[in-house]
Amino acid sequence: KAGVTQTPRYLIKTRGQQVTLSCSPISGHRSVSWYQQTPGQGLQFLFEYFSETQRNKGNFPGRFSGRQFSNSRSEMNVSTLELGDSALYLCASSRAGTGNSYEQYFGPGTRLTVT
Amino acid sequence: SQQGEEDPQALSIQEGENATMNCSYKTSINNLQWYRQNSGRGLVHLILIRSNEREKHSGRLRVTLDTSKKSSSLLITASRAADTASYFCATDPGSNYQLIWGAGTKLIIKP
Repeated sequence: KAGVTQTPRYLIKTRGQQVTLSCSPISGHRSVSWYQQTPGQGLQFLFEYFSETQRNKGNFPGRFSGRQFSNSRSEMNVSTLELGDSALYLCASSRAGTGNSYEQYFGPGTRLTVT
Repeated sequence: SQQGEEDPQALSIQEGENATMNCSYKTSINNLQWYRQNSGRGLVHLILIRSNEREKHSGRLRVTLDTSKKSSSLLITASRAADTASYFCATDPGSNYQLIWGAGTKLIIKP
C-alpha cells in the first residue's frame, strides 16, 4: 500500500503571498489531519477532516484553511503568509471513523520557508 | 493546548544501553500513542496502548500506562545508533477527533 504523500516537499514563499499544500492519504483512510511543526514547539494541530467535513480545528488564525475532496485527498491553504508561518507542515491519515482510536500515518511533510 | 509532557527533553546514552522516556498528561484518555521522528521528517507510529491496558511490547519497545498517575513510559532496550530520533507521545481524549501531542524527547545514541 502506498504511504501518505505530500506535495510539494519544499516551498519558498515571500511574505504576503499565499500557498496551497496537498496531501494524499493511504487508500481507504478517510480521516486526514494537518499539523504545523516548528523547532521546539512539537506538533500544533491545525484541523481534521473526515468525509469532506472538518470535524475539528486548532487554534490558528483564519488565514489557515483546508478542505477535503471526495477521494479523501486534502489541501490546506495559508493566505497572507507571515515569517512565523515558516515550518514543517505534516499531514497524517487514519482509519478513524467516529472516533480517533487508531494510529496516524504521516507523510514526509512540506517544509515551507517564508522570506 | 498541549496535554502531553515528555521527560526528559533530551537524553544521550551509549549504544547498547536502555533508554526510558516518560509522558504525563492531564485529562482522561481513550488511548496513548508513541511516535518516532527522524531528523525533521514525518512521524512513524510505534505503539498504541489503550486506557484499559497497563503494558504493551513491540520488539525492543515496552510501553507502560498508569492512568491513576496519568503517565506513560517508553523503554527502548539494547539501543542502537538507528534509534537516534525524537520521540513523541500523543493522547486521544476520545471526544474531539484530535490527538494531543507533547513536545517530544530527543534521544541520541552514541556509538
